[in-house]
Parts: sequence; structure tokens; C-alpha cells
Amino acid sequence: GAGVSQSPRYKVAKRGQDVALRCDPISGHVSLFWYQQALGQGPEFLTYFQNEAQLDKSGLPSDRFFAERPEGSVSTLKIQRTQQEDSAVYLCASSLGNRGGTEAFFGQGTRLTVV
Amino acid sequence: AQSVSQHNHHVILSEAASLELGCNYSYGGTVNLFWYVQYPGQHLQLLLKYFSGDPLVKGIKGFEAEFIKSKFSFNLRKPSVQWSDTAEYFCAVNWSSASKIIFGSGTRLSIRP
Repeated sequence: GAGVSQSPRYKVAKRGQDVALRCDPISGHVSLFWYQQALGQGPEFLTYFQNEAQLDKSGLPSDRFFAERPEGSVSTLKIQRTQQEDSAVYLCASSLGNRGGTEAFFGQGTRLTVV
Repeated sequence: AQSVSQHNHHVILSEAASLELGCNYSYGGTVNLFWYVQYPGQHLQLLLKYFSGDPLVKGIKGFEAEFIKSKFSFNLRKPSVQWSDTAEYFCAVNWSSASKIIFGSGTRLSIRP
């Protein structure tokens, strides 16, 4: 596709349930970022991939959060044993260059609601 | 810790008014600077960016921003706003020593028709 695609667009999970959020970056983009955006806040960095290598996971809030990008393309963010405080919009972005020094293109996000 | 500050949380203007949104960032060496916009119901889109060169950068839809290194600032401006500029605006910074882009908390811009 022409842009970054995320699925599902909306996810409602019961507290304690595991969820998996998918990101299809723009073809050929080396860098991939995951962000968490709470209501009324700016996006908060979670993790960064350069191709298949996860180079920075300093923003993952707990060990319940796990991300992978096994073939350097599609990425999955997994949240285990979801809690109410995990409710947020999860944004994926990709960029052509390495690290954060080039323009990042964002997907529409996945809105996760934990009930 | 590296941080980005946007001091205006909500700005309300009338059409044709001039706009300036503030953005300051913490010191940390060489920076790449961005302004993103999020229109209602849409994804984040890049308005403009600064990597090097002329500190006054022009973006889409008549927006511009000025990088003032001594003030650690990258304020967004538009001489005459339109109703269609109603959106959330985010300043973002990448320090070249880091991989991530850090965002400010955003400024909601409301334009009265």
C-alpha cells in the first residue's frame, strides 16, 4: 500500500487478555517505530527497529509489552495480561533512513480499550 | 532526560489571525526538528522539518518554523489561519545521538469561522 497500515483499528480487550497489534510499514522503509498515545497527550516512544533488529526498547513500560519485526518488514506489538492503564492509541511509524533523522510516516493507529 | 515542551495546550483564534505555537527542547547536541499535524479523525502528517541549513523552514499549507539554536526553540507560525487549520499540532525532536523521535504534548488549535 501507499502508507503505513495498522490493524485492527479498534480493539476492546478484557483485563488480563493478551492482544497483538499489527503494523505494515511502507515497503522498503528501514526504520520502524511504535508509540503509545494516551488521550490528550503526545505520542510516547515505545520501541525502534532498524530492519529486523530491535535497537531501542527503552520506552516499553513493562515486561508485558513485547515487539518483533522478524523479517524486517511487518511488525507486531504484543501486550500480555492487559491492564486498564494500557488503554491508548498505539501508533506505528516507518521511515526510509536509519534512526530518527528522516521523516517518519505514521499509520492511523490502533485504539485499544481495556475493560 | 531529553524533553520537548509545548507551552500552549489550547489556542483559539479567529480566521485570518496570525498564529505562533511555541516549542522548546532540552539541550543534547545536534537535533532534527519536526512539526506534525493531526486533523480530526486522521493520522499524524508532517508539516515541516529542519535538519540543517536555513533556520527558517517552510512547510505545507503556508506554515513555517524558525529554528533558534540559542533558545532551543522551533516555533511554528502562519500569517493567516483558516478554519481548516483546526487540528492538533505536535512538535517533535530527534537528537542525533538517539534513534527515537520525542514528541511534545501537543497544542490543540481551534479556529472560529
